[in-house]
Order: sequence, then structure tokens, then C-alpha cells
Amino acid sequence: AQKITQTQPGMFVQEKEAVTLDCTYDTSDPSYGLFWYKQPSSGEMIFLIYQGSYDQQNATEGRYSLNFQKARKSANLVISASQLGDSAMYFCAMRGPNAGNMLTFGGGTRLMVKP
Amino acid sequence: GAVVSQHPSWVICKSGTSVKIECRSLDFQATTMFWYRQFPKQSLMLMATSNEGSKATYEQGVEKDKFLINHASLTLSTLTVTSAHPEDSSFYICSARDGGQVNYGYTFGSGTRLTVV
Repeated sequence: AQKITQTQPGMFVQEKEAVTLDCTYDTSDPSYGLFWYKQPSSGEMIFLIYQGSYDQQNATEGRYSLNFQKARKSANLVISASQLGDSAMYFCAMRGPNAGNMLTFGGGTRLMVKP
Repeated sequence: GAVVSQHPSWVICKSGTSVKIECRSLDFQATTMFWYRQFPKQSLMLMATSNEGSKATYEQGVEKDKFLINHASLTLSTLTVTSAHPEDSSFYICSARDGGQVNYGYTFGSGTRLTVV
């Protein structure tokens, strides 16, 4: 069974500073994918970044980067130069090895950016 | 890019009535649709997985007779909450799997906020 853990229910960050949101996972499958989504108050799920288990380099997408430490089974999201619009819920999710696999979500972290 | 249109975005219904939520893939074929429920301040919990033309697979604890899922075509999946009760009030969101590369294969609808009074 797969499990995703986000240990930070809420975080504050000062505008323009960087912030790291933690995510650890547990799986026995050698092939998996890790996702981060942003969910603003409107409820939509906004895809941020993806890391495959066999990817050699950490994924980056603009201000988002994923600190992938495979041996430690962690996939932390780093947001650089925080903006007020970054205030939202952030979910880490994992997909199993099969094409039809659903995503398993962590409990989420509420990020609040202070002006 | 891939888009999933979900309707309605919000609905209020009376206890005992049924509500249908639609998810339609606009520019791709959704071979698999996942339906999630999200209570306030909680994470997304998978309710069921449906593949086009076959019966949905429900997660443990989800009543299949209460949450009817139909995936009759590659572009449309529906979730019907039958005989709704206040405890069914929640945010429901679908996610389509297309096996493609956009968003690494998962496209979410915008969600439906259901309130049962």
C-alpha cells in the first residue's frame, strides 16, 4: 500500500522568501511518480510539478522545485520568492506503477504568505 | 492542454433528493475517471475509479448504491448522489486519466460543492 505524509498542517512565510513544504512517502513499488498540487480557496487542483522515481535530476518548474531524496523517501516542494498569491493548500500525491493507478494524496499543508 | 469540465460548480439540494455531477473531457479521451470527495480542511479521498464501458470500482466504505457512477463514453462520466443527506455535503472533484503527457496524465475538474439541507 502507498502512503503519503505531510507533517506540516500550516506554514507561514514572508513574502519574497523561500519556503519548503515537506512530503514523505512509503511504497514498495520501484516505479512511481510524485506530484505536487496547489488548491486555492476556489477548490480547483492546480498541477505544479512532477518527479518520476527514475528521474536522475530534481524537477524544476519556474519558482517551484522538488527536492527528491529517494533513499529517504522524501519529495519536498521548494517555492522560491514567495508571492501573496501562493497562499493556498498544497498537496503531495503519489501514483503507483500502473498506468491506471489513481493518485494517493497527503493530508495537505496550508501555506500563508505574509506581506 | 487537456481540460475537464465539471458541472455544476455548486449545488444546494433538499435532503432525500438526488444530485448528478458531470465531468466531461473536452479535448481528449478519458479512459479512466477518478472521483474524489473532500471534506473541509481535509485531503482528497478517492471514492471510486471508473473505466469507460465498465462498472466502477468503489473504495472500501463507499456505498455503491448511494454514489452511482456512470462512464458511458470516453468523454463523459457522471456521479449521482442518491437520496442525499446532510452528511453527504462535501466537495466532489473528478480527475481524468488520459495516458497522455499533459500534467503527466491527470487532469482535474474544477470541483462541485454540494450542500444538502
